[in-house]
Amino acid sequence: DTGVSQDPRHKITKRGQNVTFRCDPISEHNRLYWYRQTLGQGPEFLTYFQNEAQLEKSRLLSDRFSAERPKGSFSTLEIQRTEQGDSAMYLCASSGAHNSPLHFGNGTRLTVT
Amino acid sequence: AQSVAQPEDQVNVAEGNPLTVKCTYSVSGNPYLFWYVQYPNRGLQFLLKYITGDNLVKGSYGFEAEFNKSQTSFHLKKPSALVSDSALYFCAVTYTGTASKLTFGTGTRLQVTL
Repeated sequence: DTGVSQDPRHKITKRGQNVTFRCDPISEHNRLYWYRQTLGQGPEFLTYFQNEAQLEKSRLLSDRFSAERPKGSFSTLEIQRTEQGDSAMYLCASSGAHNSPLHFGNGTRLTVT
Repeated sequence: AQSVAQPEDQVNVAEGNPLTVKCTYSVSGNPYLFWYVQYPNRGLQFLLKYITGDNLVKGSYGFEAEFNKSQTSFHLKKPSALVSDSALYFCAVTYTGTASKLTFGTGTRLQVTL
């Protein structure tokens, strides 16, 4: 169990640029989640995959956000035309059986200048 | 709909004293409750969960939590705090049919001093 891995750890970008983050879940986990955490807040759910299928998206996920998990393994989260309000920590988590705990990665901290 | 409230932004306790971090929840069905801890610039680490069964749940690092259905609470406790317990603690809830999608509280910062 090598844990959930996220890349990069930090990303600084200028407003209007596109960014992409990667998440490698624990290998035997079929469920993958993306959360966003801003300062002083708890993580907020963005989207959820079971295997390669994206089964749920939060209303927080505007049209500028897209997530994929093409082969049911790693996942990417892309933000197009970044805005300053997108600055946050983006957390990925994975889990196995239903209601088993989510295992979180260390997150990608995005700063939009 | 589901929600979690952590009424205290910060809890201060002296090392060796017992600690309690409060959490109340609201869900449409039977709740599944979790506690996570977060250290600076890190992801969340799972501490313990309540799914069903005994109301007192024991978890990692000596932490435990008590599920109280009538009060819709799931307070985190530890009999004797350590300075190394200082961190940000999050309570989270989900329920049947949500595919384990967790809703988190806003977090409580625990500060343990010598």
